[in-house]
Amino acid sequence: SQTIHQWPATLVQPVGSPLSLECTVEGTSNPNLYWYRQAAGRGLQLLFYSVGIGQISSEVPQNLSASRPQDRQFILSSKKLLLSDSGFYLCAWRLLAGNSYNEQFFGPGTRLTVL
Amino acid sequence: KNEVEQSPQNLTAQEGEFITINCSYSVGISALHWLQQHPGGGIVSLFMLSSGKKKHGRLIATINIQEKHSSLHITASHPRDSAVYICAVSNTGNQFYFGTGTSLTVIP
Repeated sequence: SQTIHQWPATLVQPVGSPLSLECTVEGTSNPNLYWYRQAAGRGLQLLFYSVGIGQISSEVPQNLSASRPQDRQFILSSKKLLLSDSGFYLCAWRLLAGNSYNEQFFGPGTRLTVL
Repeated sequence: KNEVEQSPQNLTAQEGEFITINCSYSVGISALHWLQQHPGGGIVSLFMLSSGKKKHGRLIATINIQEKHSSLHITASHPRDSAVYICAVSNTGNQFYFGTGTSLTVIP
């Protein structure tokens, strides 16, 4: 069966510090991978998606970046965190089946607080 | 104006009541998604649909493509249904737009 892991579960970081959040998927291959952010009191926002190794699409300009060094690994990074980067970060995956996608599966999330 | 609008924002129901959450969207889509987010933050995909109606247990989701509207119904609601329900739409270009969610509380 497929599973998706995210770590850490919670993180408190000072403004200006770097960030690295990791997401890995097991039990599937060549998934589409997604990073979302949910700021306090706001809806989910798609940050990045990847359709393959080394392929990253950015939906929202910001001081965050993403990388996909392996098929089932997706990393979200920042060189210098801002207060506005605080939020709940979710990784998700789904598969392309023929000409259509199946449903998305979400990881447990990382709650980031920037102080 | 948001691409996806949900109503109501908050909903309180007595156990056993029939519940409806509405979603309207303004962009072209390939699929509409209903998600459930529990207090701890975890999100589960309930439905993905592009036409008609789907049913899982006590949950029913419908979509009207012409009217750009979807509804999520919960029959015989239970306190364990208490969660935030999120409507989202996606297109073939991997763009996703999310509603701000409906917070449901079911009282025993």
